[in-house]
Amino acid sequence: QKEVEQDPGPLSVPEGAIVSLNCTYSNSAFQYFMWYRQYSRKGPELLMYTYSSGNKEDGRFTAQVDKSSKYISLFIRDSQPSDSATYLCAMKTSYDKVIFGPGTSLSVIP
Amino acid sequence: DGGITQSPKYLFRKEGQNVTLSCEQNLNHDAMYWYRQDPGQGLRLIYYSQIVNDFQKGDIAEGYSVSREKKESFPLTVTSAQKNPTAFYLCASSSWTGSYNEQFFGPGTRLTVL
Repeated sequence: QKEVEQDPGPLSVPEGAIVSLNCTYSNSAFQYFMWYRQYSRKGPELLMYTYSSGNKEDGRFTAQVDKSSKYISLFIRDSQPSDSATYLCAMKTSYDKVIFGPGTSLSVIP
Repeated sequence: DGGITQSPKYLFRKEGQNVTLSCEQNLNHDAMYWYRQDPGQGLRLIYYSQIVNDFQKGDIAEGYSVSREKKESFPLTVTSAQKNPTAFYLCASSSWTGSYNEQFFGPGTRLTVL
């Protein structure tokens, strides 16, 4: 079993839809949870960061962490064509390196 | 503008040749990282450095070498010992490696072995 699992997609939605992206993980010691966005042929950029459990909202983006289920989610409201990218979840313990998921490819169709 | 630069953007190599990928940052970050990205796989850590003149192997260091002679620079050499070097290589930096610190990524170098 991989430490971090993520459905690779591709996921295709119409403009304006609510998008749900998810990751599961196996290491209960993870405390820091990140979502990165990566446009084609570019480096990833940090989108959201959450410490421990709970929700965090930033504009159209909401990150959720459920440590009891070892499950994290990223919701995108009112999706736009500019949201078309690969979304990577990532997580970390307090003392070890960052572990990245394989990424989910998202296309938002105008 | 502060950021991370990688060069070249595209690199072609013949089998048996060593190649060096450049990574420079002007963010005054202590820690720097090299990742490899393959289709359908997450970023895999090759090497990282927390301070000048010191670096540690990541999960897939075999066939790669690095140096950290300056805080701003962390070049990666892909040697002929790397069995499957064709991939997208990403360099990143952060303030330090403890607890949490955001990693900033460069634009990447796509290496193709002919």
